[in-house]
Amino acid sequence: GQNIDQPTEMTATEGAIVQINCTYQTSGFNGLFWYQQHAGEAPTFLSYNVLDGLEEKGRFSSFLSRSKGYSYLLLKELQMKDSASYLCACMDSNYQLIWGAGTKLIIKP
Amino acid sequence: GAVVSQHPSWVICKSGTSVKIECRSLDFQATTMFWYRQFPKQSLMLMATSNEGSKATYEQGVEKDKFLINHASLTLSTLTVTSAHPEDSSFYICSALSGTGGYQPQHFGDGTRLSIL
Repeated sequence: GQNIDQPTEMTATEGAIVQINCTYQTSGFNGLFWYQQHAGEAPTFLSYNVLDGLEEKGRFSSFLSRSKGYSYLLLKELQMKDSASYLCACMDSNYQLIWGAGTKLIIKP
Repeated sequence: GAVVSQHPSWVICKSGTSVKIECRSLDFQATTMFWYRQFPKQSLMLMATSNEGSKATYEQGVEKDKFLINHASLTLSTLTVTSAHPEDSSFYICSALSGTGGYQPQHFGDGTRLSIL
């Protein structure tokens, strides 16, 4: 079956760095997406990885290892506004997104 | 670019009412739109995939006669919850793709919070 695993909740301190991991098992693979979702709002697109390696975009970076079925989202210089859920989603061979349950990130001052 | 507008943002109505939710792509043509439902503290659950000019593809367990989807143009898809009941209360979110196949991030509307009394 298809499965996406990510931690349910993480806590970090303002100004610090946090890494949110995601492991996946899907029928085929056409890339991995990370989305940010604030409470009561719709998800917003953060990043896309289809090749192995690190993609950096400002304070956020995303890494992919296809052989390990593993990705992480790295958030640097954490700000209070980064408190949100972070959703990992894989695109399978039918170009359909398989969603993880999301990781709730709590930022403390 | 890639703005998706969803309306209404909040609906409160009596049990048995039918509710229509609109999803519009404002600055691009969306060949494919998706309808999701999200219960509190849970992940997005795909309900159906809507392709312009053809019938929607529903996920297993989603009643197509209860959740009517119409994608009549390249910029508009609608979801009608027919004879809504309290258990249909949820956060409904649409998303849209601007092309076919390949790498395409889904662009989301702001969601519709539906409360059935």
